[in-house]
Amino acid sequence: GENVEQHPSTLSVQEGDSAVIKCTYSDSASNYFPWYKQELGKGPQLIIDIRSNVGEKKDQRIAVTLNKTAKHFSLHITETQPEDSAVYFCAATDSWGKLQFGAGTQVVVTP
Amino acid sequence: NAGVMQNPRHLVRRRGQEARLRCSPMKGHSHVYWYRQLPEEGLKFMVYLQKENIIDESGMPKERFSAEFPKEGPSILRIQQVVRGDSAAYFCASSPPTSASTDTQYFGPGTRLTVL
Repeated sequence: GENVEQHPSTLSVQEGDSAVIKCTYSDSASNYFPWYKQELGKGPQLIIDIRSNVGEKKDQRIAVTLNKTAKHFSLHITETQPEDSAVYFCAATDSWGKLQFGAGTQVVVTP
Repeated sequence: NAGVMQNPRHLVRRRGQEARLRCSPMKGHSHVYWYRQLPEEGLKFMVYLQKENIIDESGMPKERFSAEFPKEGPSILRIQQVVRGDSAAYFCASSPPTSASTDTQYFGPGTRLTVL
């Protein structure tokens, strides 16, 4: 089945700097890759997603890149702000359409 | 436009009791997924349901756990004879009634189950 690995597990950045989180997946049939942000005590919130027919997608300060050959995808947050502090999860669909999640990255943005 | 709703938000049970977790999907959504999140871990798929059908329950423990999504009313995740290891946050997600493999899933706020 699908296996998603996510790095780093924790990331501390200065306000205004960029943050990058990387994920790899194992199932070459995976074709949908969402990213979720989870704040303490809340449910995961979809922030951006990418489908296998594109290599990059951007939404304001957030961008995602996908390399299907290497089976990895990354989240880029530019001009980080304190409200970006949260746990971020990547995910990939397996052959049956289920989402398999990475273990999460705790992002801390320090003023 | 209400999002995915879950209740209760917090549930405390003693070992051996039953826990019932409810999920109302977003309006117009007919696919429901349940995930479990242990402390400081990622989300693990449990079950995928459509109205009156269990599509995939490969992530459900073989015993004590069951799920349903009736024609009317919310989806229910039921845990019988709870044990301390069942303590976790349980999240429900829903997606619209189109092809399942690339549908965006929207999550509810979760139910935090504590077993004493």
